[in-house]
Amino acid sequence: QQQVKQSPQSLIVQKGGISIINCAYENTAFDYFPWYQQFPGKGPALLIAIRPDVSEKKEGRFTISFNKSAKQFSLHIMDSQPGDSATYFCAASSLGGTGTASKLTFGTGTRLQVTL
Amino acid sequence: EAGVAQSPRYKIIEKRQSVAFWCNPISGHATLYWYQQILGQGPKLLIQFQNNGVVDDSQLPKDRFSAERLKGVDSTLKIQPAKLEDSAVYLCASSLSFGTSQYFGPGTRLLVL
Repeated sequence: QQQVKQSPQSLIVQKGGISIINCAYENTAFDYFPWYQQFPGKGPALLIAIRPDVSEKKEGRFTISFNKSAKQFSLHIMDSQPGDSATYFCAASSLGGTGTASKLTFGTGTRLQVTL
Repeated sequence: EAGVAQSPRYKIIEKRQSVAFWCNPISGHATLYWYQQILGQGPKLLIQFQNNGVVDDSQLPKDRFSAERLKGVDSTLKIQPAKLEDSAVYLCASSLSFGTSQYFGPGTRLLVL
């Protein structure tokens, strides 16, 4: 019940296109859904996060869409650029709980390549 | 604001040897996490500290892994003895407190031969 399933495993998008990465979770206690971006040799960096009280959050070219009833959330990268080429991880946790409940459960990652 | 610092960045050891990793969190961050990231997978939490106390170590292989956070600031993660399957990137992260955004360090890449 702690799993977060992420797809696709890899994605190739042309410059200017839209990149879409999907995640699904099972634990209904999850109430915090961040996305992390990781470049080779670097640690994951927080990109954008959403709470389930809203269905969408946008920051620049990055948008999270959240569907509470389906227990799914997705990351959309508009106008994808070669500099966006990285691995993206979705994650989930239950905020405000005990320390155990607040730990992040990560998806398996999506390697995005944006071509010219 | 300085980020999470980790050292060393790379380590190569032979199986059955011991190794230690060091982490310095962002100043003022009370919560510190150690994750293991195996190639091609997402990070997996090994242990979580709140100040100098352990909050969650349920996924830490305690027969070989140990961690401490003396004085509630820096932390060390030790593996003794190492196994081939311990080859991974060990990430340290910190957050202001429970339920706040986690910030990751660059990681230590461990190769066990």
